[in-house]
Amino acid sequence: DAKTTQPPSMDCAEGRAANLPCNHSTISGNEYVYWYRQIHSQGPQYIIHGLKNNETNEMASLIITEDRKSSTLILPHATLRDTAVYYCIVRVEGDNNNDMRFGAGTRLTVKP
Amino acid sequence: NAGVTQTPKFQVLKTGQSMTLQCAQDMNHEYMSWYRQDPGMGLRLIHYSVGAGITDQGEVPNGYNVSRSTTEDFPLRLLSAAPSQTSVYFCASSYSMFGQPYGYTFGSGTRLTVV
Repeated sequence: DAKTTQPPSMDCAEGRAANLPCNHSTISGNEYVYWYRQIHSQGPQYIIHGLKNNETNEMASLIITEDRKSSTLILPHATLRDTAVYYCIVRVEGDNNNDMRFGAGTRLTVKP
Repeated sequence: NAGVTQTPKFQVLKTGQSMTLQCAQDMNHEYMSWYRQDPGMGLRLIHYSVGAGITDQGEVPNGYNVSRSTTEDFPLRLLSAAPSQTSVYFCASSYSMFGQPYGYTFGSGTRLTVV
């Protein structure tokens, strides 16, 4: 089972910031939080990841709470092309593995 | 730089047939994984590999075999196809940083129908 909980769906107005929450209350100290998105039936696209500090790249910002039990992905100026399913993932704990399990994700709909 | 290449893009199999889904990456990534995605569902991990010669099971490994003889290739074999294996299959690869995948690059998928 996925180690994260996300709302099933969210709407956002075009041009506004989209804030997608994720709960990962059982995260371990050395586990990163990853965000991906999947547009329609394409392969998922990596967005960003972080350990405990906030991260920003050209696509989005990732805000991780101090206790690391939750995080928020921020798309600062959502466009119609950002409509997608967004997945928050924590790697399954273990040494030297890349067991990354996707949950159901949040379906973000950006509306004009 | 082609990224992650999956072949074929579409395939129809009869129940009981076997086949191999191919996945190749040209980025020298250590980590590779196979996922399946059923209609309207999220991705489920089938098998993964942290390097040549090393593979492990994900959450839905039954009915599938993998091997990793080279860094570039990670084929997925369906041993005896069943209708329940009708799905879209995605291959992904990543380099590692501090023992964790940095960020997966996904292929475009193989759409498999078993009749």
